[in-house]
Amino acid sequence: AQSVTQLDSHVSVSEGTPVLLRCNYSSSYSPSLFWYVQHPNKGLQLLLKYTSAATLVKGINGFEAEFKKSETSFHLTKPSAHMSDAAEYFCVVTPVGYQKVTFGTGTKLQVIP
Amino acid sequence: DGGITQSPKYLFRKEGQNVTLSCEQNLNHDAMYWYRQDPGQGLRLIYYSQIVNDFQKGDIAEGYSVSREKKESFPLTVTSAQKNPTAFYLCASSIGRAGNEQFFGPGTRLTVL
Repeated sequence: AQSVTQLDSHVSVSEGTPVLLRCNYSSSYSPSLFWYVQHPNKGLQLLLKYTSAATLVKGINGFEAEFKKSETSFHLTKPSAHMSDAAEYFCVVTPVGYQKVTFGTGTKLQVIP
Repeated sequence: DGGITQSPKYLFRKEGQNVTLSCEQNLNHDAMYWYRQDPGQGLRLIYYSQIVNDFQKGDIAEGYSVSREKKESFPLTVTSAQKNPTAFYLCASSIGRAGNEQFFGPGTRLTVL
């Protein structure tokens, strides 16, 4: 069994301040973990992925995430928010070698000028 | 350019009508997926296909049907049996089996009048 929980449905930050979007997961098998971003009425774009290599993963647009097995977390961070970061973010888990993919319910990020 | 295309972008249908959503990819991916997105619920898997002429039900397959006659194409039919079809539909593809990231199309917004 697997599940993913995004702890905040909405996050609001000021432009230029750090971003933290939280994700906890559970998986019976070694997981692959992903963060995707979705702008309004668009498809999803991959930000970054963890697939059992380095625990600190760097992605596009200055985002990074750290895989913490002991805490079963995969939080997404960015040092300085930009207005263009305003979007919805999805944390995704899939067991390595299996086709089942589980999406979190999403976190909407608002960036205040 | 390689990618996934979905058409139409917006679709309106009367109750009781079947409607087919198109999804085409030129990424040479084996696996393709259909998701439904409703506000606050993340993405829910409708159907997926790992190979031509084969597909499996996802979590919410009732009222939907698919075909996979060509590697590049994975059309979704929303039938009149689907009780609440108004939603945003996303198609995705990936290389081979699980653990790999999915590439998403731009989506089709279906509205039942």
